[in-house]
Amino acid sequence: LAKTTQPISMDSYEGQEVNITCSHNNIATNDYITWYQQFPSQGPRFIIQGYKTKVTNEVASLFIPADRKSSTLSLPRVSLSDTAVYYCLVGDMMNYGGSQGNLIFGKGTKLSVKP
Amino acid sequence: NAGVTQTPKFQVLKTGQSMTLQCAQDMNHEYMSWYRQDPGMGLRLIHYSVGAGITDQGEVPNGYNVSRSTTEDFPLRLLSAAPSQTSVYFCASTLKIGTGVREQYFGPGTRLTVT
Repeated sequence: LAKTTQPISMDSYEGQEVNITCSHNNIATNDYITWYQQFPSQGPRFIIQGYKTKVTNEVASLFIPADRKSSTLSLPRVSLSDTAVYYCLVGDMMNYGGSQGNLIFGKGTKLSVKP
Repeated sequence: NAGVTQTPKFQVLKTGQSMTLQCAQDMNHEYMSWYRQDPGMGLRLIHYSVGAGITDQGEVPNGYNVSRSTTEDFPLRLLSAAPSQTSVYFCASTLKIGTGVREQYFGPGTRLTVT
């Protein structure tokens, strides 16, 4: 299973764009990259998922370079409510359901947004 | 549509007691899983199920049993509680979108303390 490395914490201010980079040097061909957000005392919430290049949805963008050994979650114009822990996960989505498909949650990146 | 529900929200057990954490989802998802989260840590997979009647072990299965008699329910049983099982437990079910994207929906969690 591919291991991920991401910063332990990041600070930002309201209205700024935040980019959180995740390293996954051992990513396999069938692995997808997924990001989750977790607020205190709540379960994680799916943000975005991608395989290569760029993926964008209503809350974030995910940039994946050609070698796929890293990825960057981009949060545009953060607000105080974006203060949370963000997890980068890598997993085999094509064979999801077997042991290879289980997602491994690391310690995540604790993002603090200040006024 | 209630999503993923978990009961109880809080529980205190004495060492050696047994109990069952309940998890239910009304989204007809085939894949369900149980995680535990210790303070300052990411989530660790305990057990998972790819469908009714099929379960398998995750990263930290010792001391826990699961069963999956229906698509909706996936209870987690603590056989003989130990202080090391003090944690927050999250149940999740997975939505398959297309050929690749899979999104996990997490329940609100059960905070368990074993004394």
